[in-house]
Amino acid sequence: KAGVTQTPRYLIKTRGQQVTLSCSPISGHRSVSWYQQTPGQGLQFLFEYFSETQRNKGNFPGRFSGRQFSNSRSEMNVSTLELGDSALYLCASTDGARVEETQYFGPGTRLLVL
Amino acid sequence: GENVEQHPSTLSVQEGDSAVIKCTYSDSASNYFPWYKQELGKGPQLIIDIRSNVGEKKDQRIAVTLNKTAKHFSLHITETQPEDSAVYFCAASKGAQAGTALIFGKGTTLSVSS
Repeated sequence: KAGVTQTPRYLIKTRGQQVTLSCSPISGHRSVSWYQQTPGQGLQFLFEYFSETQRNKGNFPGRFSGRQFSNSRSEMNVSTLELGDSALYLCASTDGARVEETQYFGPGTRLLVL
Repeated sequence: GENVEQHPSTLSVQEGDSAVIKCTYSDSASNYFPWYKQELGKGPQLIIDIRSNVGEKKDQRIAVTLNKTAKHFSLHITETQPEDSAVYFCAASKGAQAGTALIFGKGTTLSVSS
């Protein structure tokens, strides 16, 4: 099986712009979670989508949003970018409906906000 | 909310020695505890996990122990090798039914010198 894929891998934006990141889960997985990784805050949970519905949400401002499509692919959007949004954005997929909760991470998208 | 503390933040060992990383969690409802290894430029990779109905789990040179009463769990790596050098993260989760949000520790940078 192919792993979790994320595009693009690297992105440079300027303050005030918006950005959309994409994640394709492992085939058959219906849950996609997004995480932000920074040196200062570590890995922080953004939100999780399951069957096109947001099922869980972390403590991030409304500028961070996401969606999931019928094929389980997910996108996250950050509007009005701030310097502090520079981070590695990781997505992880899992079946989402069974007891087995193992999350498999993609390689991440590194976002730099100038 | 859930909080996961991880110690030490850095760990240096000689090849062949053992390495131990410890984590504590705050939410007694957490029932799933994975450990991830992250190498430079890559996403976190699951190395071992344990569920709350198990006290210990072993996979070759890697073992994890869980003490639910004390709310702490530990990663043990025996016979360390230079390729074990990476950042290790512990995490806690309430499982698939709660939306699979993983709460991570801040990470341990393990350096194995030959």
